[in-house]
Amino acid sequence: KAGVTQTPRYLIKTRGQQVTLSCSPISGHRSVSWYQQTPGQGLQFLFEYFSETQRNKGNFPGRFSGRQFSNSRSEMNVSTLELGDSALYLCASSLGTAEKLFFGSGTQLSVL
Amino acid sequence: AQKITQTQPGMFVQEKEAVTLDCTYDTSDQSYGLFWYKQPSSGEMIFLIYQGSYDEQNATEGRYSLNFQKARKSANLVISASQLGDSAMYFCAMREFTGANNLVFGTGTRLTVIP
Repeated sequence: KAGVTQTPRYLIKTRGQQVTLSCSPISGHRSVSWYQQTPGQGLQFLFEYFSETQRNKGNFPGRFSGRQFSNSRSEMNVSTLELGDSALYLCASSLGTAEKLFFGSGTQLSVL
Repeated sequence: AQKITQTQPGMFVQEKEAVTLDCTYDTSDQSYGLFWYKQPSSGEMIFLIYQGSYDEQNATEGRYSLNFQKARKSANLVISASQLGDSAMYFCAMREFTGANNLVFGTGTRLTVIP
């Protein structure tokens, strides 16, 4: 069974640009959540989607958004990038909303 | 609010020895799950072991076991027979199933296995 797949693996953008990250969950998993990891703040929850609906959102500005498609694949978008958005963005999937989470390899975003 | 505390920023262990990584948590929820993840330098967060708050037995997965002490709110990870490939960051995390439901992570412990 394939694991959680995140694309791209690395991304370099400049301030003010926008970026879209993609996540394909493990087959059969309907819940997808996103986390941001930085050296200063550690791992922080961004949002969770289940059956195309956002169930939960972390404390991030509105520049961070996401969506989930009918096949459970998810995308997150960050608009008007700032230097502080440089981070490893991790996607996790689970069967339901009260299950074990399995993570992908992450997308390393660098904002110059 | 839920909180995870890992008090060991770094740990060293001799190859083939056992090591315990500490984790304490705080929650007012009765239904929750505790997780341990390993993050090598490649960045991927690898699931190691899970313990539900209602599980009476300590979880075990191969060389990993979770020492769950509910009254003390601790969920320590024990790695037996350490291998060089065990060198990585280890994160303890909790998910409240009736609360916010997202994973809350500790700050991590960097484990180094010495040959």
